[in-house]
Amino acid sequence: DTAVSQTPKYLVTQMGNDKSIKCEQNLGHDTMYWYKQDSKKFLKIMFSYNNKELIINETVPNRFSPKSPDKAHLNLHINSLELGDSAVYFCASSQDPARIYEQYFGPGTRLTVT
Amino acid sequence: AQSVTQLDSQVPVFEEAPVELRCNYSSSVSVYLFWYVQYPNQGLQLLLKYLSGSTLVKGINGFEAEFNKSQTSFHLRKPSVHISDTAEYFCAVSDLSGNQFYFGTGTSLTVIP
Repeated sequence: DTAVSQTPKYLVTQMGNDKSIKCEQNLGHDTMYWYKQDSKKFLKIMFSYNNKELIINETVPNRFSPKSPDKAHLNLHINSLELGDSAVYFCASSQDPARIYEQYFGPGTRLTVT
Repeated sequence: AQSVTQLDSQVPVFEEAPVELRCNYSSSVSVYLFWYVQYPNQGLQLLLKYLSGSTLVKGINGFEAEFNKSQTSFHLRKPSVHISDTAEYFCAVSDLSGNQFYFGTGTSLTVIP
């Protein structure tokens, strides 16, 4: 069974479109995260939710909006996509915020904006 | 705030040779330190962590790291690498609450047959 799953795995879209990436974890964790990994492999946290509440919101454009309908899901919606949004987006989860280092990562979603 | 620097972006090494991947951090508060591995087209996995206690930390797949507070370093080592160790390795630092968590820029380890 997949611990942290993301859909879709690949996403190719044009500038200006709106797209969503879904994430689900079946580990019973309270905390979920979104990371962006750019073409140089640099990995940066974007958001973190604990029990459906936003706890980390790094400086990202407000075109990015996370939504957590329940603690097992954290979706990422991106409006008005730009070329610079092309990256691999990773979802992750941990038991609680203090154990962020023991986070489990999903397989990633490779977003390509043309 | 904390930050972490991985000086080597790429490290090629022959199979069965030893390897050291360097990581230095800066912080004005106590920190936790970690190494993660990312195999091609996969997410990250925790290799090892330093929280407290012994400064020599052993992880999975035969890796170990040593926390050196005076040199603010947390270098990763393996005495004999395998082809399967080819991957991207990330050092990370966190404050004690987990609210400040940062990855380094990664080191690409390539094991040459």
